Formats: sequence, C-alpha cells, structure tokens
Amino acid sequence: EAGVTQFPSHSVIEKGQTVTLRCDPISGHDNLYWYRRVMGKEIKFLLHFVKESKQDESGMPNNRFLAERTGGTYSTLKVQPAELEDSGVYFCASSRPPGQGNTGELFFGEGSRLTVL
Amino acid sequence: DAKTTQPNSMESNEEEPVHLPCNHSTISGTDYIHWYRQLPSQGPEYVIHGLTSNVNNRMASLAIAEDRKSSTLILHRATLRDAAVYYCILRDTQGGSEKLVFGKGTKLTVNP
Repeated sequence: EAGVTQFPSHSVIEKGQTVTLRCDPISGHDNLYWYRRVMGKEIKFLLHFVKESKQDESGMPNNRFLAERTGGTYSTLKVQPAELEDSGVYFCASSRPPGQGNTGELFFGEGSRLTVL
Repeated sequence: DAKTTQPNSMESNEEEPVHLPCNHSTISGTDYIHWYRQLPSQGPEYVIHGLTSNVNNRMASLAIAEDRKSSTLILHRATLRDAAVYYCILRDTQGGSEKLVFGKGTKLTVNP
C-alpha cells in the first residue's frame, strides 16, 4: 500500500509569510497526526484527527497554526504568519481505527522541512 | 514529558546482537511499551510493541521485565541499515491520549 505522503518536502519562506503543508494519509486510516521537530528538540505532538474531527489539539503551539482535515481524507497544516522559531521538520502520521486486529502503529511520512528566514 | 529513560548513544558491530535498554519506572497498568526508530532523513518507523509478555517480530524482539519497569529492544543481528535513533515510548490507549511522547532516544551506531 502507498505510504503517508507529505508535500512539500522542503519549504523556505520569509518571516511573516504563510505556508501550507499537506499530508495524505494511508487510505482507510481514520487517525491522522501531526508532529514536529524544531532544531535541537525532541519530536513533539501537535494534534490528532479522527476522520475530520480534532480529537486532541493540545500540542498546537499557538493560534498561528491551523490544521484542517475536510472530508476526513488529506490534511493541511497552515502556519500564518510564520516566525523564525517555526523552522523544523513537520511529520504527519496515520493509523487504522482501533480494533480490526491492528497493532495501533503509526505510519509516518518523511516529513516537510520548513525553513523560516 | 517523556516517561522513559534511555542511554543517549550505543555502538555495535555489524552482525552482532544489540540490546537497547529502556527504563519506565512510572509505567501504569494500561501503558503499552512501543518502540520506534528514525533513520536519517526519514520519519519515525514502528518497530515493535508489547504490554507484559515478550514479543517477537521480523524486525526485533522486545523483552519486558516482570515488574514492567524496564524493557529491552533486541536486534538479533545488527546491520548498517539499523543505524538510527531508537525511541522507547509508553502509550496509553485506554481512554487517555493516543499521542506518542518522544524522548531523546538512543542513537545507535553500527560499525562495519
């Protein structure tokens, strides 16, 4: 099966500009997560969708970040306006619904690297 | 904050077994022990998980202490492709948040 895909792989923008990152989860995966790693820090959870609903958005750093998952398929993460400290790698992950004999494992994409100048 | 403690780094030789330790003394009864790894320039990758009993899969084995306060990820024959950062993560899926809390992990170097 196709894995989690993220676009763009790398984005370079100036402070104050807007960037939108996209994540296409594995087909049939209801759960979709966003994580990020900023320079020198651990990978941190941002939020979790179950289908189109936000299940947990406790990791969203501030209101400059907006995540959507219209229709419960792909998701976007918009940063507006971007700040220098937003630079890092943004990972998307998806997983199957609970049950169905699955392990609950998360499948991660390769990440979108964001550089804010 | 991560609820696990791992060594910052470990080194192994190719073709030899590797034992990666993890301490999780505050583990609760409903926490599963998950291991992920991150190869350079890639996203994290699931390795294995367990609750109480030891587990084996095609990638690795997971040995869980009887009191569940520690566990060990075992790579039976390390290859150069196993060089990665390995994360030990407790995950509570019993009504708690399903998010993974990553720590610093253990950076594994495999020597040829």
